Amino acid sequence: AQSVTQPDIHITVSEGASLELRCNYSYGATPYLFWYVQSPGQGLQLLLKYFSGDTLVQGIKGFEAEFKRSQSSFNLRKPSVHWSDAAEYFCAVVPGGGNKLTFGTGTQLKVEL
Amino acid sequence: KAGVTQTPRYLIKTRGQQVTLSCSPISGHRSVSWYQQTPGQGLQFLFEYFSETQRNKGNFPGRFSGRQFSNSRSEMNVSTLELGDSALYLCASSEISGASTEAFFGQGTRLTVV
Repeated sequence: AQSVTQPDIHITVSEGASLELRCNYSYGATPYLFWYVQSPGQGLQLLLKYFSGDTLVQGIKGFEAEFKRSQSSFNLRKPSVHWSDAAEYFCAVVPGGGNKLTFGTGTQLKVEL
Repeated sequence: KAGVTQTPRYLIKTRGQQVTLSCSPISGHRSVSWYQQTPGQGLQFLFEYFSETQRNKGNFPGRFSGRQFSNSRSEMNVSTLELGDSALYLCASSEISGASTEAFFGQGTRLTVV
């Protein structure tokens, strides 16, 4: 069965600093990969997705992620973090076909002013 | 377009009772999935419905059930509630059943079992 690992439970960065959130997946083939963000008391918003093609994908709010097949990773990055980016971030995978998302445990991002 | 609407937003039930949660997908979306989010287990897939048929089911007991209507609205039901069922229940809608389509999430229903 596929699984997703987000090794960092909490991350604190200063506003304006760069950010990288790690995600590793375990799956026999290349799954479809997603990053979602959740603000307190809210649902999930899709930041970006990777299905195939260019391994560097751009998303909303200035986020990007890079798929590295050799490392089974799909890390999320942002060059300059804003205070409004404070939220919980989830990496998720779906095997080809279907809508069954398997989520990582999430990374809680705190932004210091 | 209106987003995914989940009702009610908050619910308090007593152990042993049953509860029904509702999800109205985005207009034109035919796939609805349900997820349970708890601090201990994180986000877990419950089931997916597409064109009134259950297409996928997660690893939850039979007390958790769902259905989808011809207008794509979906309900999930939990019978004989347990304290551990306290969670945020999220609904997601997609245009079709396939990972190439984006899943849009509602704000969730916060269920508290006392």
